[in-house]
Amino acid sequence: EAGVAQSPRYKIIEKRQSVAFWCNPISGHATLYWYQQILGQGPKLLIQFQNNGVVDDSQLPKDRFSAERLKGVDSTLKIQPAKLEDSAVYLCASSLALRGLAGLGSTDTQYFGPGTRLTVL
Amino acid sequence: AQSVTQPDIHITVSEGASLELRCNYSYGATPYLFWYVQSPGQGLQLLLKYFSGDTLVQGIKGFEAEFKRSQSSFNLRKPSVHWSDAAEYFCAVGAAAAGNKLTFGGGTRVLVKP
Repeated sequence: EAGVAQSPRYKIIEKRQSVAFWCNPISGHATLYWYQQILGQGPKLLIQFQNNGVVDDSQLPKDRFSAERLKGVDSTLKIQPAKLEDSAVYLCASSLALRGLAGLGSTDTQYFGPGTRLTVL
Repeated sequence: AQSVTQPDIHITVSEGASLELRCNYSYGATPYLFWYVQSPGQGLQLLLKYFSGDTLVQGIKGFEAEFKRSQSSFNLRKPSVHWSDAAEYFCAVGAAAAGNKLTFGGGTRVLVKP
């Protein structure tokens, strides 16, 4: 079974430029997550999709970050304009569960991609 | 809101020795707990998870973890460490009532001495 795919693996940009990351989840997974992992810290959830709808974007800096999952499969995360503090690894994850169908009180495993390492100069 | 604390930032262990990584969580309901490992330049790989039932959970690569509700802990153990176990380890708590959101600890970096 193919895992979560992400591209590019590395990106270096200057501050105030824009950048986009792409994620293709495991086939059949309804839920997709974007995490930001700053060096020396654990991942922090930015946004969660179920199919093509947003479940949670409370931690997404919406003045500069945007994300979409138009057809409920792959997703893009964009930063415009980038700041120095955006330097981090951006991880995409997917999970099978469809909220509501599985019901509250259930959870399932998130599978992570290799990440995109962003350096903002 | 849920939170996770991993008190040890770095741990150095000799190859063949035992390893224990600490994890303490805070969550008002029954937690779903995970341990992930991250090798340099790689994504996160699931080692094991606890949803319910037996509080001693077996995972991949010879790891196990024990859920102790009274101590709000989910410590990870391995009886005999291999050089390939050098990596960063993350404990996470999931909140099913919050749409399966994961909150991670800050991680513990494990160094293995020959």
